[in-house]
Amino acid sequence: DSGVTQTPKHLITATGQRVTLRCSPRSGDLSVYWYQQSLDQGLQFLIQYYNGEERAKGNILERFSAQQFPDLHSELNLSSLELGDSALYFCASSSAGGMEDTQYFGPGTRLTVL
Amino acid sequence: DQQVKQNSPSLSVQEGRISILNCDYTNSMFDYFLWYKKYPAEGPTFLISISSIKDKNEDGRFTVFLNKSAKHLSLHIVPSQPGDSAVYFCAASDTGGFKTIFGAGTRLFVKA
Repeated sequence: DSGVTQTPKHLITATGQRVTLRCSPRSGDLSVYWYQQSLDQGLQFLIQYYNGEERAKGNILERFSAQQFPDLHSELNLSSLELGDSALYFCASSSAGGMEDTQYFGPGTRLTVL
Repeated sequence: DQQVKQNSPSLSVQEGRISILNCDYTNSMFDYFLWYKKYPAEGPTFLISISSIKDKNEDGRFTVFLNKSAKHLSLHIVPSQPGDSAVYFCAASDTGGFKTIFGAGTRLFVKA
């Protein structure tokens, strides 16, 4: 158990809909990362937050947005969903957010768009 | 544009033998490299890392080698155990640019 929790575990929705994925980092960790893993693909970095502020942005679509709240939990919002958004979405956390910090991953949320 | 490539999607090794997983990168700004292991239905877990100022880092059965001139790193597992069967992701970080890129992963099968 990494200490990072993600909810829900599974999500099935229809095209055009909007969903929110939630992540609670390990106790004491200030940084949260979001990744997308599509079938047979590696982990695609989406976005990183550090202590409530956006720190780095990867290949995140404009239809997607995220935020980190004062209690340090984070939400990833996916809107106007398309079939190709079906994937595993991982959240990770680290203590200080440096690129040398070990990232601790949650178990992921599996999103299926029908 | 795949900046981090793991060209072998899978690898099968006999228990007790050496497993060698390879990773190539293209961006010379990467200065920190990591390996993560992932079991089914779980998130990736950190395994071992290496800074660009080193060419080798060892942790128990796991050793990572870095060849900066070739932009290549490898993970050696000796001896391999059935519990090592998992997907291994190579990741490269540009510590100044706050960017970490993951490879597509290599699925390792260790046969008993």
